[in-house]
Amino acid sequence: RKEVEQDPGPFNVPEGATVAFNCTYSNSASQSFFWYRQDCRKEPKLLMSVYSSGNEDGRFTAQLNRASQYISLLIRDSKLSDSATYLCVVNLGGRRALTFGSGTRLQVQP
Amino acid sequence: EAGVAQSPRYKIIEKRQSVAFWCNPISGHATLYWYQQILGQGPKLLIQFQNNGVVDDSQLPKDRFSAERLKGVDSTLKIQPAKLEDSAVYLCASSLEFRGQETQYFGPGTRLLVL
Repeated sequence: RKEVEQDPGPFNVPEGATVAFNCTYSNSASQSFFWYRQDCRKEPKLLMSVYSSGNEDGRFTAQLNRASQYISLLIRDSKLSDSATYLCVVNLGGRRALTFGSGTRLQVQP
Repeated sequence: EAGVAQSPRYKIIEKRQSVAFWCNPISGHATLYWYQQILGQGPKLLIQFQNNGVVDDSQLPKDRFSAERLKGVDSTLKIQPAKLEDSAVYLCASSLEFRGQETQYFGPGTRLLVL
């Protein structure tokens, strides 16, 4: 079983749509959770951290369910510029490396 | 603030040849990581340094891959000899802990093609 599992997509949505991505992780000792964004042929960049209480950053909302070992990302009012691959990432804590999912590709269409 | 620098950006070699990649982390970042990202997959850790010491190299194929960070700043990753399956993007990242939160910043990567 992969440590972090994501639906690879692609998700093809029209501008203005709401889209949700889900992710599950296998290690219950995981401490920190993130969503990274990766544009084509670019490096991953931190989109947002994910907290148990849920957190929102503009059109983006992230949720964490520790009991189910499940992370989600909701994007409202999709823009063309949101087209990218979204990587679900977990960390065991401390100065540990990140464990990445394979990513979910989003294509927002005009 | 300058980001993580990597060179070269692209490299094409034949199998069984050797190749080396260089990384200069963000100034002051003690932790440095090398990741391998194969097309269609997420980045996978190869090796992690804390200053000039190795923290985790459990996923580094040590028969052909080596890495060093002699002075605790720059780092080099070497593949010798390369195989076809080493074709990937090699990402360097550095991190700094602030208020209990560690954020990793990635360089642009080196895209390697082994023919």
